[in-house]
Amino acid sequence: GDSVTQKEGLVTLTEGLPVMLNCTYQTIYSNAFLFWYVHYLNESPRLLLKSSTDNKRTEHQGFHATLHKSSSSFHLQKSSAQLSDSALYYCALSTYKVIFGKGTHLHVLP
Amino acid sequence: EAAVTQSPRSKVAVTGGKVTLSCHQTNNHDYMYWYRQDTGHGLRLIHYSYVADSTEKGDIPDGYKASRPSQENFSLILELASLSQTAVYFCASSDPGQGGEVFFGKGTRLTVV
Repeated sequence: GDSVTQKEGLVTLTEGLPVMLNCTYQTIYSNAFLFWYVHYLNESPRLLLKSSTDNKRTEHQGFHATLHKSSSSFHLQKSSAQLSDSALYYCALSTYKVIFGKGTHLHVLP
Repeated sequence: EAAVTQSPRSKVAVTGGKVTLSCHQTNNHDYMYWYRQDTGHGLRLIHYSYVADSTEKGDIPDGYKASRPSQENFSLILELASLSQTAVYFCASSDPGQGGEVFFGKGTRLTVV
């Protein structure tokens, strides 16, 4: 069945350093959508990025990701981390329903 | 704008009591979901539904029932609440035909004492 893997449970880095959160997925459906959601403490998860186009970079709020169907990956990146980026980040796959990964805590230190 | 409304927003329940969490969406979405989030952890899927009058088990369905009486409404029922069910519960909706973006409610903080 479909699955999403986020290997890192916690990523801790210093403000100003680049961010990369890994996401890989498995599906038999060629027209799947991949998403990144951000979940701040005491709020609801909200959409950060989405893509269904192979090898096309998607950007929003300083974050970017490129869907690579050949490697089944959709890694989230940012060139310079900010303290306000500290949150829980979910990768998600949508085919006939949505599946979320377990999430990666990003903790940005001053 | 797409909207998912949860009620109540917070609740204190006694162990062994019955709890019903309600969710209403105005998105015209087929899929609805119930997730729980424990402090410091990610979302875990309890139940979901893709059509009225039918529900499906998610990853952690034990101790929970779900009801989808209409496309707009999806309830989560704890028949015998337990301390371990203290968590924040999120309802969500999506439509694969519209790109699959998930819209979340604001969450219900449930405390079982």
